[in-house]
Amino acid sequence: KNEVEQSPQNLTAQEGEFITINCSYSVGISALHWLQQHPGGGIVSLFMLSSGKKKHGRLIATINIQEKHSSLHITASHPRDSAVYICAVRNFGNEKLTFGTGTRLTIIP
Amino acid sequence: NAGVTQTPKFRVLKTGQSMTLLCAQDMNHEYMYWYRQDPGMGLRLIHYSVGEGTTAKGEVPDGYNVSRLKKQNFLLGLESAAPSQTSVYFCASSYDPTSGLELVQFFGPGTRLTVL
Repeated sequence: KNEVEQSPQNLTAQEGEFITINCSYSVGISALHWLQQHPGGGIVSLFMLSSGKKKHGRLIATINIQEKHSSLHITASHPRDSAVYICAVRNFGNEKLTFGTGTRLTIIP
Repeated sequence: NAGVTQTPKFRVLKTGQSMTLLCAQDMNHEYMYWYRQDPGMGLRLIHYSVGEGTTAKGEVPDGYNVSRLKKQNFLLGLESAAPSQTSVYFCASSYDPTSGLELVQFFGPGTRLTVL
């Protein structure tokens, strides 16, 4: 079973700050997902990556396969980015995801 | 296009009662999943299905049963509810794997269940 660990568990920052959330896993994977869970509870997929880097607006996700580590960055953070960010991994040949416990991000105006 | 829907949104049960949660998707996805989310823990897989008529156990299947009679629907049943089943339940669905694409999961809005 893949162990997925996220850090930090909680993060509070001022509006405009550069945010980094980390995810590490224990076993080689076929893909890694970043998801966002809003205060209302809804969960949406932000990124899915198996190598390199992806960017969408102010969000950037990177993955280092050799180090079994991924980071989610938010540039010019805004209060609307306040949410729980969840990392999940898929093992090779497996249709299931293993989830981290999430990072609760609060951006203060 | 409604995506993934779940009914009901909220429910309170007494210990020993039964209920069924319904998940429906209109994206023609092959795979469907039921998760539970508890404070301080990651999403945990209860049961999943890789196609109509098939189901499989996930990480925490005890006390739950599922059925996938139609491709678009995935039902989660609690035969005799227990307080330990108080949780938020999420359904998700994902692409047809024959496309060769990685399986992004689309989530429903969740069902908040309290068992007294």
